[in-house]
Amino acid sequence: AQTVTQSQPEMSVQEAETVTLSCTYDTSESDYYLFWYKQPPSRQMILVIRQEAYKQQNATENRFSVNFQKAAKSFSLKISDSQLGDAAMYFCAYRSGNQFYFGTGTSLTVIP
Amino acid sequence: DGGITQSPKYLFRKEGQNVTLSCEQNLNHDAMYWYRQDPGQGLRLIYYSQIVNDFQKGDIAEGYSVSREKKESFPLTVTSAQKNPTAFYLCASSIFGRPGATNEKLFFGSGTQLSVL
Repeated sequence: AQTVTQSQPEMSVQEAETVTLSCTYDTSESDYYLFWYKQPPSRQMILVIRQEAYKQQNATENRFSVNFQKAAKSFSLKISDSQLGDAAMYFCAYRSGNQFYFGTGTSLTVIP
Repeated sequence: DGGITQSPKYLFRKEGQNVTLSCEQNLNHDAMYWYRQDPGQGLRLIYYSQIVNDFQKGDIAEGYSVSREKKESFPLTVTSAQKNPTAFYLCASSIFGRPGATNEKLFFGSGTQLSVL
């Protein structure tokens, strides 16, 4: 069974600094997709970034980028120039076919 | 605008009562999902449906039931058998994809907070 592990329940970062959130997953499949979702206090789930497993190039979306290590089954999220609005719960997710698997989340605090 | 609508935003259940959470989408998605989120925890899958009139149990289906009579609608009933129903419930949808074929994300509704009186 596929599992997604986020080993950092809580993280904090100084405003304008960089922070990296960790995610590892377990799978025996070769084709799959990975996502990072953000859940702010409003609790609306917002897609931050996605990565196709067959692509070696790491995905980037403005200040958000990933470090995808397929062999190590690692998918970390880097947030650069952190802003107060980045404070939220972040979930790593794995998609295979029509199944999605989520980690337990990392709560990110941004310190002014 | 296309999206997923969940209602109500807040719901209270009395002991022994069944309650139904509504989820409607106009994205023309085949696949729909119900997740439960407890405070400080991740999302756990309750039920999912890949096509009308078909659905499968997720990891925590006990005490819940669903129906999928229309493509747009996937209501969740929390039955009296669910002894700890207090949680935040999220409905989601996505295009149907064979394994490895799509990178489409999950679209989420805004959620329903269910509490026990």
